[in-house]
Amino acid sequence: EADIYQTPRYLVIGTGKKITLECSQTMGHDKMYWYQQDPGMELHLIHYSYGVNSTEKGDLSSESTVSRIRTEHFPLTLESARPSHTSQYLCASSIAGAGANVLTFGAGSRLTVL
Amino acid sequence: GENVEQHPSTLSVQEGDSAVIKCTYSDSASNYFPWYKQELGKGPQLIIDIRSNVGEKKDQRIAVTLNKTAKHFSLHITETQPEDSAVYFCAASHNSGGSNYKLTFGKGTLLTVNP
Repeated sequence: EADIYQTPRYLVIGTGKKITLECSQTMGHDKMYWYQQDPGMELHLIHYSYGVNSTEKGDLSSESTVSRIRTEHFPLTLESARPSHTSQYLCASSIAGAGANVLTFGAGSRLTVL
Repeated sequence: GENVEQHPSTLSVQEGDSAVIKCTYSDSASNYFPWYKQELGKGPQLIIDIRSNVGEKKDQRIAVTLNKTAKHFSLHITETQPEDSAVYFCAASHNSGGSNYKLTFGKGTLLTVNP
């Protein structure tokens, strides 16, 4: 069983609402990631963090923001959701150093913006 | 940067047949090649990986082969079962100075195993 948890699993909201997707891991991993998965399956890295107080933007530009105040917690926030933000969001984590490229994924949060 | 191409995008096989998914990569410095399986409603899960000092690795019905000269690697599933139906992702990465092991994923293959 994966020790990385995402909430909510499903969320339907109206345009303009602020939302936060939660991601927590109990493995003590230093690195954490957010991927956006489009309906065509492709995974796009939107944010990552190498540790507390470290956040970087990924390969795909995103209007979302992230924070890393605690090692185990990596929430993603959308200040004003739009229909274009409708997608599956996957959180992942890994150790630092050798083995850092072995990712453990959460089950995902499916966001629908009306 | 690294670019990973994955084919086919969809694959349908009969139960018991073999399935092969192929990936090519562009960065000759890449040295780690994992495969992830994503079942419906779940996140991707690592099923097998191979490093550049190995040409082939097998785990029960799953095997991965790597051709560094041609820069391609493949996933082979033998005796497929309905529970093998999922989306499969290949990926590549390398250790760039010890600070970044960023994975580059292929676009995924939807495998359907028909009973």
